Amino acid sequence: GAGVSQSPSNKVTEKGKDVELRCDPISGHTALYWYRQRLGQGLEFLIYFQGNSAPDKSGLPSDRFSAERTGESVSTLTIQRTQQEDSAVYLCASRQTGANSPLHFGNGTRLTVT
Amino acid sequence: DAKTTQPPSMDCAEGRAANLPCNHSTISGNEYVYWYRQIHSQGPQYIIHGLKNNETNEMASLIITEDRKSSTLILPHATLRDTAVYYCIVRSSTSGTYKYIFGTGTRLKVLA
Repeated sequence: GAGVSQSPSNKVTEKGKDVELRCDPISGHTALYWYRQRLGQGLEFLIYFQGNSAPDKSGLPSDRFSAERTGESVSTLTIQRTQQEDSAVYLCASRQTGANSPLHFGNGTRLTVT
Repeated sequence: DAKTTQPPSMDCAEGRAANLPCNHSTISGNEYVYWYRQIHSQGPQYIIHGLKNNETNEMASLIITEDRKSSTLILPHATLRDTAVYYCIVRSSTSGTYKYIFGTGTRLKVLA
């Protein structure tokens, strides 16, 4: 079946511009996660959506970052007034309901801020 | 959230078993240990997880110590395609929500 799909796969933007990154989770997956991965580093948790509950935004690094998810479908991560330090791969993952269901990751969006 | 500690890098000869250690000394009773790997330019791939019993699947085995403060991922016959960064994660759980906090992982290089 189809996996987690992220678009665009690559994005180059100028400093100060806003960007939107999209994630299409696996159909039926109730939970959705966003992570950031800087070059050569591990994954940094950003935000987590679970069904209709309030999202866990504890990992968002500043108020320039926000994310939305409508129901159990597509999610959009928005970065306003991008800075060079925002350059990274942004990874999305989804999982089914159920304590033992693992995360399934997309291949990420590589964001470069010039 | 429980933290994990892994060696930054390891080498393994092709065909040999790769044993990747992970320390999670602050793990609490209901927290699971998950392992993922990330091959260059791809998203992380799920390998295996466990709570307190040892687990085995088609990819790997997971050995968790009795006190649950450490675990070892075993790839029984490593191939060149197993070269990747391996992440050990302790998944925290609060009121039905599940948070996965990744560390910096172990970069495994399988040598021909």
